[in-house]
Amino acid sequence: SQQGEEDPQALSIQEGENATMNCSYKTSINNLQWYRQNSGRGLVHLILIRSNEREKHSGRLRVTLDTSKKSSSLLITASRAADTASYFCATVKYNFNKFYFGSGTKLNVKP
Amino acid sequence: EAQVTQNPRYLITVTGKKLTVTCSQNMNHEYMSWYRQDPGLGLRQIYYSMNVEVTDKGDVPEGYKVSRKEKRNFPLILESPSPNQTSLYFCASGTGTDYNEQFFGPGTRLTVL
Repeated sequence: SQQGEEDPQALSIQEGENATMNCSYKTSINNLQWYRQNSGRGLVHLILIRSNEREKHSGRLRVTLDTSKKSSSLLITASRAADTASYFCATVKYNFNKFYFGSGTKLNVKP
Repeated sequence: EAQVTQNPRYLITVTGKKLTVTCSQNMNHEYMSWYRQDPGLGLRQIYYSMNVEVTDKGDVPEGYKVSRKEKRNFPLILESPSPNQTSLYFCASGTGTDYNEQFFGPGTRLTVL
C-alpha cells in the first residue's frame, strides 16, 4: 500500500509552541497534501507541495518534502488552541486520481 | 456558498437492506470521490470519478457501487450492507487537475446492525 504514515500519532503542546508532524510514504508521487480535521467533521485542505518542490509556506504553516527519503513534515508555528485537530497527509500519484491518506496525527494545543 | 453536501448525515440500518448516500457539489468540479474513515486506518478511497459516466475503483471498492450521471452528483450505493461497512463516510470533490485539492462534505455516519 502507498498509504502515508504520520508520526507521532498524538502530540500535546502548550499554546505558543511549535508543532511538527511527519509523514512517510512508499512510492513515487505527483504531490503531497496536508489536511486538517476537527473532531468528526470533514477534512479541510491546508497546503499542497509538488514533487519538485522542497519547501512551501502558508501563513503559520511550513511544509517540507524530501522525495529521496519519501517523507514530508508539517510545521505549525506559534500554535493556538484553535489548531487542536487531527492532521492528515495525503499522497497523490501521477494520474492525480488516487489519494492515499495516512492515519493522522492528533494535535492537542493547551491554552 | 461553495460546498459539498451529503445526505443523510446519520443512518442506522440492518444487514442486507439496500441504501444510498447522496453527494452533491456546487463548484462545477470534474472530480468526485468517496472515502471511508475508520479508527486507526485513516481515510481510504472507495471510488472516484473523473467526469460524468467515468468512474474507477479506489483502494476499498468491495461492497460499494457508484454512478455519475450528472456532474454535480455522485451517490454511493450499498446494495447489501454488512456490519463491516459501519464507518464514517466522506464525499469530496476537486478540479481533477494536477492541483486536485479535495473539498470534503460533512460526513455520513453509517451503522449497520
